[in-house]
Amino acid sequence: DQQVKQNSPSLSVQEGRISILNCDYTNSMFDYFLWYKKYPAEGPTFLISISSIKDKNEDGRFTVFLNKSAKHLSLHIVPSQPGDSAVYFCAASVSAGGTSYGKLTFGQGTILTVHP
Amino acid sequence: ETGVTQTPRHLVMGMTNKKSLKCEQHLGHNAMYWYKQSAKKPLELMFVYNFKEQTENNSVPSRFSPECPNSSHLFLHLHTLQPEDSALYLCASSPDPRSGGTNEQYFGPGTRLTVT
Repeated sequence: DQQVKQNSPSLSVQEGRISILNCDYTNSMFDYFLWYKKYPAEGPTFLISISSIKDKNEDGRFTVFLNKSAKHLSLHIVPSQPGDSAVYFCAASVSAGGTSYGKLTFGQGTILTVHP
Repeated sequence: ETGVTQTPRHLVMGMTNKKSLKCEQHLGHNAMYWYKQSAKKPLELMFVYNFKEQTENNSVPSRFSPECPNSSHLFLHLHTLQPEDSALYLCASSPDPRSGGTNEQYFGPGTRLTVT
């Protein structure tokens, strides 16, 4: 049972346009969400996160939106740049202790390609 | 430079070999993790260590044996592996998640393992 899903395996965008990456989750206990970026031959790099008490978090060109009722989050990159081409993973966690502490559940990833 | 290093970066081993993967973090974190990433699958959590104590074993076969001698070092000892164990093995670290803080994990570059 996959609790975090990224239903689009790939996304292709023109440079300067907006990239929107989507992620859905099923576990209502998740209260902290993260996005990671991964280049080939490197480990995932933390990009941006959001707590369930917020519905938006912005950091430069990157904005994450959270819709708790729909159990859906999205990452917006604007404007997109060729250097943003990578695999993007969303992850979810339960932040408040208990036996699930420290665990991140990842989606399958979306390959983003930004064309010049 | 993520502050988490892994060696070796690439490893080819036969099914009867014994080898070890090493991870070292220079971030002062107290939790360390092993993940497995197979082709077209989400990252799978294997083990979690908090303050050198194993707090999670995600039903990993006994041919994978973790060791955490201190908060900065994590090993994964491998023996009698199968070809389906070929994957990218990623190490990560984070501040103590039990403190109620956020769960950003910082990843190493991974070890690409091929079992022949």
